[in-house]
Amino acid sequence: AQSVAQPEDQVNVAEGNPLTVKCTYSVSGNPYLFWYVQYPNRGLQFLLKYITGDNLVKGSYGFEAEFNKSQTSFHLKKPSALVSDSALYFCAVREGSGGYNKLIFGAGTRLAVHP
Amino acid sequence: GAVVSQHPSRVICKSGTSVKIECRSLDFQATTMFWYRQFPKKSLMLMATSNEGSKATYEQGVEKDKFLINHASLTLSTLTVTSAHPEDSSFYICSAAPGLGVTGELFFGEGSRLTVL
Repeated sequence: AQSVAQPEDQVNVAEGNPLTVKCTYSVSGNPYLFWYVQYPNRGLQFLLKYITGDNLVKGSYGFEAEFNKSQTSFHLKKPSALVSDSALYFCAVREGSGGYNKLIFGAGTRLAVHP
Repeated sequence: GAVVSQHPSRVICKSGTSVKIECRSLDFQATTMFWYRQFPKKSLMLMATSNEGSKATYEQGVEKDKFLINHASLTLSTLTVTSAHPEDSSFYICSAAPGLGVTGELFFGEGSRLTVL
C-alpha cells in the first residue's frame, strides 16, 4: 500500500532564510508526487508535482521540490522564506499502476515563518 | 487552474438532523470526485470516491449509511451526513480532477465546516 511520511509537525524559519519541508514516500510502482498548501479554514492549493523527467520540479510562489528515488524523498524547498508562506503543507502520493488511483496525503507540516 | 466550489462553507445543525454538502466543478467535467474529512491539526482522511452515475466507493471504516454520496452529474457530487451527531463535526473537503489519469493534480473545494450541536 502507498503511504507518505512528513516527519516534522512544524518547521520554524526566519524570514529570508531558506526553508525545507521533508517528505518521504512508499509505493510499489512508479510514484507520482504532489505538494499542496492549506491556509486556515480553506481548501488545498496545488503547488507542484513530480511525474517524470527532471528531478527538480519548480512550482508556484517560488517553491521547488527535489525527487530522490534512492532516498524515496520529495522535499519541498524555497530559497528565501516569506512570512506569507506560513501555512500547512501536505505531501501526497499516487501510485502509477494504471487507472485513476486515489491520492494519499501525509500528516502535514505546519510552516511558521517569523519576521 | 480548475475551479471546484463547495457549499455551504459553514453549517451548524442540531444532533439528529441531516446535512447536505454540495461539490461542483465549475469549469470542467469530473467523472470522479473525492471526499475528504479533516480533523483539527490533522491530515486529510479520504472518505470515499464518488463516481458519476454509479455507487460511491467508501474507504474502510467509513459508514456508507451515515455519509451518503450522490454523483448525479458530471459537475456535481453531494455528501449528506445523516442523523448527525457531535462526533461528525469536522471539516469536509471535496476534490476533483479534469479528466482521468494518474498524473493530474486534484483541485480542491474551499471546504465545509460542520458543527453538530
